[in-house]
Amino acid sequence: DVVMTQSPISLPVTLGQPASMSCRSSERLVHSDGNTFLSWFQQRPGQSPRRLISRDSNRDSGVPDRFNASGSGTDFTLKISRVEAEDVGVYYCMQGTHWPYTFGQGTKLEIK
Amino acid sequence: QVQLVQSGAEVKKPGSSVKVSCKVSGGSFSSLTITWVRQAPGQGLECMGRSVPILDASNYVRKFQGRITFSADKSTRTAFMEVTSLTYEDTAVYYCASLGGDGAWGQGTLVTVSA
Repeated sequence: DVVMTQSPISLPVTLGQPASMSCRSSERLVHSDGNTFLSWFQQRPGQSPRRLISRDSNRDSGVPDRFNASGSGTDFTLKISRVEAEDVGVYYCMQGTHWPYTFGQGTKLEIK
Repeated sequence: QVQLVQSGAEVKKPGSSVKVSCKVSGGSFSSLTITWVRQAPGQGLECMGRSVPILDASNYVRKFQGRITFSADKSTRTAFMEVTSLTYEDTAVYYCASLGGDGAWGQGTLVTVSA
């Protein structure tokens, strides 16, 4: 199975400051159809996960434009340009290129 | 916009079974793939398998193979996951999700395994 490794595990950030988190996969995530099925999810405390980004860098409807994702191959990054209080939670990357789908262990974003 | 509504919390004894439902509203049921994900207390997300209800097709993650079964009632647009031979380690929140398309998730179903 593809192993997804996220870092850091914990990310303390000051309000209004940027945040960046990394996700690495043990195999390349380019599908045979040319798509890269790498998604990012946000899970606020006590809530279901919510997808922020699909297919590597496509922001979902309603997701603020301060969230941006990039990367290719095996290295991916999620950046928040200016952290707000509502961004507190755990962020997961997930690969959907190879079966079974696998998630990273999560990066917990907290406010300093 | 697909919406997924799951059944309520369950308390089960070790060795028993549980069946979780996931009702789909909005969107096209015929093109939907439902992925089941579980989250143990304080832990991360783990994919259990996926199903295409309209085709009665399923893929199970090896770890759960033989112990979980996906099914669906097309008339009510409801997908089901049954987990058998429950152990304490199966205590978790179970989610159904449409990871393709608009990425909808259900609200989660807490299954507690307790004697």
